[in-house]
Amino acid sequence: EVHLVESGGGLVQPGGSLRISCAASGFSFGDHYMDWVRQAPGKGLEWVGRSRKKANSYSTECAASVKGRFTISRDESKNSLYLQMNSLRTDDTGVYYCASGPIGSHDYWGQGTLVTVSS
Amino acid sequence: DIVMTQSPDSLAVSLGERATIKCKSSQSVLSSSRNYLAWYQQKPGQPPKLLIYWASTRESGVPDRFSGSGSGTDFTLTISSLQAEDVAFYYCQHYYDTPLTFGGGTKVEIK
Repeated sequence: EVHLVESGGGLVQPGGSLRISCAASGFSFGDHYMDWVRQAPGKGLEWVGRSRKKANSYSTECAASVKGRFTISRDESKNSLYLQMNSLRTDDTGVYYCASGPIGSHDYWGQGTLVTVSS
Repeated sequence: DIVMTQSPDSLAVSLGERATIKCKSSQSVLSSSRNYLAWYQQKPGQPPKLLIYWASTRESGVPDRFSGSGSGTDFTLTISSLQAEDVAFYYCQHYYDTPLTFGGGTKVEIK
C-alpha cells in the first residue's frame, strides 16, 4: 500500500525558512513523479513544484510564484522528498501536500502539513 | 502556462440526479492520442483523491457513476446519480507539461 507522510510544517515569521519532508513507501520511488501541491486556507489547489523520475535524473522544477525561493530535492536512499522554503511570505501560508504518480497525475496524496507564515 | 477554467463554481443537485462539471484548457492537452487531464475530488479536511486520468479512465475503486469525457481543450466530469457522499469540491488538472495547473474548483451540494 502506498503511503506519503509529510512532516516539518509549523509557524515561521515572514522572511524565514522552513524545510518540509515527505516520506514515501509502498511503491518504486524512482518510478514516480513527486510533486508538492499547496492549498491556502479556503482556496483551491496550487502546484508548487516537481521532482521528475529517476529516468529523468530526478530533475526538478518549481512554479514561478516560488522560483528562486523554494528548492525541491529527493533522497533515494531515504525514499524521501523535501521542500526547502526560504524568504517565506504570508501568502505562502497553507497546507502543503506531497503527491505522486507514474504518469504525471497525482495518484497518491499525503495528508498534508500546515505551514503558517505570520509575525 | 495552460489556464484551466472550470464551470460552474458551484451546483446543487437532487439526490439521484445527474451532476455535470465542465473544464476548459487554454490550449490543447492532447498528445499521442492521450489527453493529459485528470479530475480530483476533495472533501473537507481531506487531501484530494484522484477520480479520473487520461480524461476518461476511472481510477481503481472509483464508483462507475463517475465518468469523464472530452478531448483537446474541452472536458466534462459527470456524476450520473448523485449520492450524499459525493458532496465535495471537484478539480480538473492538466499534466501535459510543467507548470501543472488546476481549475478553480466546483462545489457540489445536495439540493
